[in-house]
Amino acid sequence: DVKVTQSSRYLVKRTGEKVFLECVQDMDHENMFWYRQDPGLGLRLIYFSYDVKMKEKGDIPEGYSVSREKKERFSLILESASTNQTSMYLCASSSQPQHFGDGTRLSIL
Amino acid sequence: GQSLEQPSEVTAVEGAIVQINCTYQTSGFYGLSWYQQHDGGAPTFLSYNGLDGLEETGRFSSFLSRSDSYGYLLLQELQMKDSASYFCAVRSTNYGQNFVFGPGTRLSVLP
Repeated sequence: DVKVTQSSRYLVKRTGEKVFLECVQDMDHENMFWYRQDPGLGLRLIYFSYDVKMKEKGDIPEGYSVSREKKERFSLILESASTNQTSMYLCASSSQPQHFGDGTRLSIL
Repeated sequence: GQSLEQPSEVTAVEGAIVQINCTYQTSGFYGLSWYQQHDGGAPTFLSYNGLDGLEETGRFSSFLSRSDSYGYLLLQELQMKDSASYFCAVRSTNYGQNFVFGPGTRLSVLP
């Protein structure tokens, strides 16, 4: 079974902090994705990556950056956290089908 | 751009059949997927339609009509454990072949 692991289930940070969300997959997938999920809005794509050191913007990249230094790891970075970035963050690997991690519920105070 | 519409909520009783519809507007359409998400859990893949017609997987079936830009998920012999949110997702060639997700339909199964 594919395993996608996100480093934290719950995280509380303060406005202005730099926040790192980590995601690791164990199936050698080339494609990895970061989404945020908000009630009534479904999943919105923040960034995705097709390969190591490759990254592409999704629908809502503003305020975020990503890093893919190794194939199995895809990191999401909030450069300066703001309260409107309080959300559930989901990492996924592969494209068809997508395999999701359990999510990180991030609160920015 | 891309947009998908689903009903926000559906309620049914155990043993019943329920259909969750999804309409989409997109260019460069590639396929329609369905995902299930229980409260507090990760979305899990249910079904994918790359071609028109019906795909059946146990109690779940999914249908696609490209000409109508429409699909649905059919759940039969509903069980309490089917209470969850269901998302349709369009795979678009105009979006790097990535998925755009619908807003989700919350299904409540009553005893």
